[in-house]
Amino acid sequence: AQSVTQPDIHITVSEGASLELRCNYSYGATPYLFWYVQSPGQGLQLLLKYFSGDTLVQGIKGFEAEFKRSQSSFNLRKPSVHWSDAAEYFCAVGAGGSGGGADGLTFGKGTHLIIQP
Amino acid sequence: GAVVSQHPSWVICKSGTSVKIECRSLDFQATTMFWYRQFPKQSLMLMATSNEGSKATYEQGVEKDKFLINHASLTLSTLTVTSAHPEDSSFYICSARGPSGRRDTQYFGPGTRLTVL
Repeated sequence: AQSVTQPDIHITVSEGASLELRCNYSYGATPYLFWYVQSPGQGLQLLLKYFSGDTLVQGIKGFEAEFKRSQSSFNLRKPSVHWSDAAEYFCAVGAGGSGGGADGLTFGKGTHLIIQP
Repeated sequence: GAVVSQHPSWVICKSGTSVKIECRSLDFQATTMFWYRQFPKQSLMLMATSNEGSKATYEQGVEKDKFLINHASLTLSTLTVTSAHPEDSSFYICSARGPSGRRDTQYFGPGTRLTVL
């Protein structure tokens, strides 16, 4: 069975500092990996996804993530955070389905990002 | 594009009553929708996969007679919580498999907060 671990429940970062959110997955085949952000009162928004190809993927809002198969990791990074980045971040792994990597997702428990002024 | 809405955004009901939650894809057709449940400070747990015109596929441990899912059109899936009890109180989130060219991604609704008294 697939699983996702986000080891950091909370992370506090100063505005303007760099950010890295950790994600480790367990999956028997080539994973379809996603990072979503959840803000209060809003639905989950896709930041980026990895299916194959270049292991460094660029997303929206200046985020990027690197897939490392040897470490079963898909860490999210941003060089300089803004106060508006404060939110809950979820890493997810999906199974390859008839539509690609969009079958039911398994989510990590999330990392709550706090931005200090 | 690929906007998903949910209605209602929150609902309070008495124990023993049934509650229906709607999930709509506003600007695309969704042959597959997913229903998740999120407990406070927890991750999203996949409840079921809903395919238009066929019976939903429930995850292990999810009572299909309690959580009735109907996907009668390409833009609407409904989740009915039957005979709701306080332990059913949770945040219910739906998602839809993306439109042509983006079927590898799920697009999420804003969620419905259910409180059962």
